[in-house]
Amino acid sequence: DAGITQSPRHKVTETGTPVTLRCHQTENHRYMYWYRQDPGHGLRLIHYSYGVKDTDKGEVSDGYSVSRSKTEDFLLTLESATSSQTSVYFCAISEPAGTETQYFGPGTRLLVL
Amino acid sequence: AQSVTQPDIHITVSEGASLELRCNYSYGATPYLFWYVQSPGQGLQLLLKYFSGDTLVQGIKGFEAEFKRSQSSFNLRKPSVHWSDAAEYFCAVGGQNNDMRFGAGTRLTVKP
Repeated sequence: DAGITQSPRHKVTETGTPVTLRCHQTENHRYMYWYRQDPGHGLRLIHYSYGVKDTDKGEVSDGYSVSRSKTEDFLLTLESATSSQTSVYFCAISEPAGTETQYFGPGTRLLVL
Repeated sequence: AQSVTQPDIHITVSEGASLELRCNYSYGATPYLFWYVQSPGQGLQLLLKYFSGDTLVQGIKGFEAEFKRSQSSFNLRKPSVHWSDAAEYFCAVGGQNNDMRFGAGTRLTVKP
């Protein structure tokens, strides 16, 4: 299994609070991704990164920001959490190009009350 | 943009029976196609992938999939299902633009 960890694994927060999710990889892969998983929608791409400090938006990026200051870490921030952001969040990595196989972390379950 | 349709939300099969999960995609060029499996509370595990070449692709756990360009399909098959195959299965299509799209998933239940 690819070395991908996500923290926290579970989080409950209140509407309006900031939340940061962390993805950490030990594979030295260049590409990293954040997805959200919701029933009936499969996985939808939020943001991705193609290198340190290089990021771009995905399909559902509104309300989310990301940062990547090191190859191994990719942070997802909800600046002001809303109930619609209650979801399961998955990080993925791939190498060498973004269209190659993506390997997924275990997920973070976020509940916004 | 590419898209993926998995027509079956939920399928139930008996243990030992054959399985086929359907996947249809929309993409303007030659797609990269994937099947992933997700057990409850777990991340996604890659079963198999198609990039080019032989249209019948073998994967892990005895699964295979066939790419049919004329039908825009990439159906997943297994000749004999085991109880441990109960999970959710996702088809995905990727291209040259770092934009992988997933289907909504098919939940597989295996009857004893």
